[in-house]
Formats: sequence, structure tokens, C-alpha cells
Amino acid sequence: NAGVTQTPKFQVLKTGQSMTLQCAQDMNHEYMSWYRQDPGMGLRLIHYSVGAGITDQGEVPNGYNVSRSTTEDFPLRLLSAAPSQTSVYFCASRGRDGAYGYTFGSGTRLTVV
Amino acid sequence: KQEVTQIPAALSVPEGENLVLNCSFTDSAIYNLQWFRQDPGKGLTSLLLIQSSQREQTSGRLNASLDKSSGRSTLYIAASQPGDSATYLCAVDPQGGSEKLVFGKGTKLTVNP
Repeated sequence: NAGVTQTPKFQVLKTGQSMTLQCAQDMNHEYMSWYRQDPGMGLRLIHYSVGAGITDQGEVPNGYNVSRSTTEDFPLRLLSAAPSQTSVYFCASRGRDGAYGYTFGSGTRLTVV
Repeated sequence: KQEVTQIPAALSVPEGENLVLNCSFTDSAIYNLQWFRQDPGKGLTSLLLIQSSQREQTSGRLNASLDKSSGRSTLYIAASQPGDSATYLCAVDPQGGSEKLVFGKGTKLTVNP
């Protein structure tokens, strides 16, 4: 099905480990972004990209890296996992004109122990 | 800074009731406003998108309105059903291509049979 695909769906990490959350979309959307969702905090923007080769920081970027080498993919890297990064992570995308709004992936539930 | 507020935080209604969920935003310079539904442990499903030039959008039993001048949007659900139970999120896409979708914290709706 067309849309935004996130992998893995669930992950448990030990403190200090690194990992990459994958996000891919097949709608040729220019804009892609990563959010984290925490109880009582709502959804907060981590990083976003307006096209291949262009990324920028959102509201809570510390501890995360991103790159955008292709239009389709926007991976999120945790450099050295901390318990504070336990959260649900969502990837989203939209076309340049925004006519159809944002499409979200199904999320990755990450636990750091 | 754009801020989005959703009131009430939780709502419980009997099946069959018509109901209104409220969303307010502080900056009227928006590109569009999007309503999402989130089921427990799941991702975000887009319900309705209202462009800044529009006043309302309808899909089935759902109707969303937008009043930019007063910074308000409402989501009307007709003849509610237990299957409508979920958290409803309002999100504003700010004007100017900031690519930073700003979310409210949601209204948790429970429809009792």
C-alpha cells in the first residue's frame, strides 16, 4: 500500500547503544519529518527535511541525527540511547503544495533500558 | 509561536449522541488545519484537511469547520458510535513553509454503548 513505512515497529535498546529508525515513503513527497510522542507532552518535532540533501532541527533534536540522501528515505539515528529517549516515534511526509496534508507512518515504539 | 489547544481533554458520551470537539490556535496565519484520529497503540489517521481558504470539510458523519479570524476549528461527529472511541488530534500547518506541524494534545473520546 502507498504511504509511509516505518521499521521496526518495536525495539528495546540498552543505554548507550545506537540504532537507526527507518522511514520510507512512496508518494514522491518533498517534506518529511520525525516526531516523538510522549504522555502529557503530545507530539514534538525532532528533525525535518524539505528535500533530498536538506535537513533542519525541530523542537527536540538533541541525541538524534538525520540525513536525506533520497526523496524516499529519511532515517533517524540515535547516537547513544538514553532512557529519556523511550518514546513512540512517528515519521510523516507531505507534498510541497500541502494540498493533501500530512501522511503518518504507524510508528516505532522504542524502550531504552 | 503557534500554540494549539484542545478542549476538553476527555469526553464520554452515550452512543447516538452528536458531539463537537474544539481546537483553538494562537496565530491565524495558517496554511491548513488537519484533524487526525489515533487509536490506542496505533498511528495517526488523517480524517479531514481544511485549507486556509476553506470554511469546512465533510466526510461521512464528520464535519470540520475553520474560523481563522477567531483561531478556532471544530470537529462535529454525528450519531456517534462505540467505534468512534479514540483520541482526536488537531494540527496546524503554519504559513510560510516552516514545515513544522503544530499539534494539540488531543481529546480522548469514549462512546458508550
